[in-house]
Amino acid sequence: QKEVEQNSGPLSVPEGAIASLNCTYSDRGSQSFFWYRQYSGKSPELIMSIYSNGDKEDGRFTAQLNKASQYVSLLIRDSQPSDSATYLCAVNGAAGNKLTFGGGTRVLVKP
Amino acid sequence: GAVVSQHPSWVICKSGTSVKIECRSLDFQATTMFWYRQFPKQSLMLMATSNEGSKATYEQGVEKDKFLINHASLTLSTLTVTSAHPEDSSFYICSAPWRSSYNEQFFGPGTRLTVL
Repeated sequence: QKEVEQNSGPLSVPEGAIASLNCTYSDRGSQSFFWYRQYSGKSPELIMSIYSNGDKEDGRFTAQLNKASQYVSLLIRDSQPSDSATYLCAVNGAAGNKLTFGGGTRVLVKP
Repeated sequence: GAVVSQHPSWVICKSGTSVKIECRSLDFQATTMFWYRQFPKQSLMLMATSNEGSKATYEQGVEKDKFLINHASLTLSTLTVTSAHPEDSSFYICSAPWRSSYNEQFFGPGTRLTVL
């Protein structure tokens, strides 16, 4: 079982719709959770951080964390073609400061 | 957010040569930096943790004699790929945590290495 799991996609959404991305993790002691966006040929860009249960909103992005279910999600509202990218879920485990990344979900926003 | 730079952004070299990649934290100090490698259509693979003033910690399966890491100051870490071969061709990316309490990591723009 992988430590951080994501559906690889592609997740195809029409422009203006909500894109919903999911991530599960195995280390119950994990403390910090991140979503990164990576465009093809570029390095990852941090878009959301979440540390406590519940929702966190930043612009069109909402991250949701449920530690009991070991589940973190990302919602992208009013999706734009520029949101087309691979979204990486990353988890900071209980031991040390290394991030563990999921395989990423590719999102395609169609005009 | 914090800014991390890398140099060079791309490099082409002949097989058997060594290549040095620099990673700098521009507006903050980083006692720890991380080096990743990414092959096409694959996720990030952590290679090693660079520690300022001490030896790097390598992930299982990563040859420490081939991938030399030096963290010479609180803002600079270097990765040297020694005796590079075509199979070392990849996208190398560094990252640094900005706020150690949350380990919020920011990535450099990456270095694309092509070994002929």
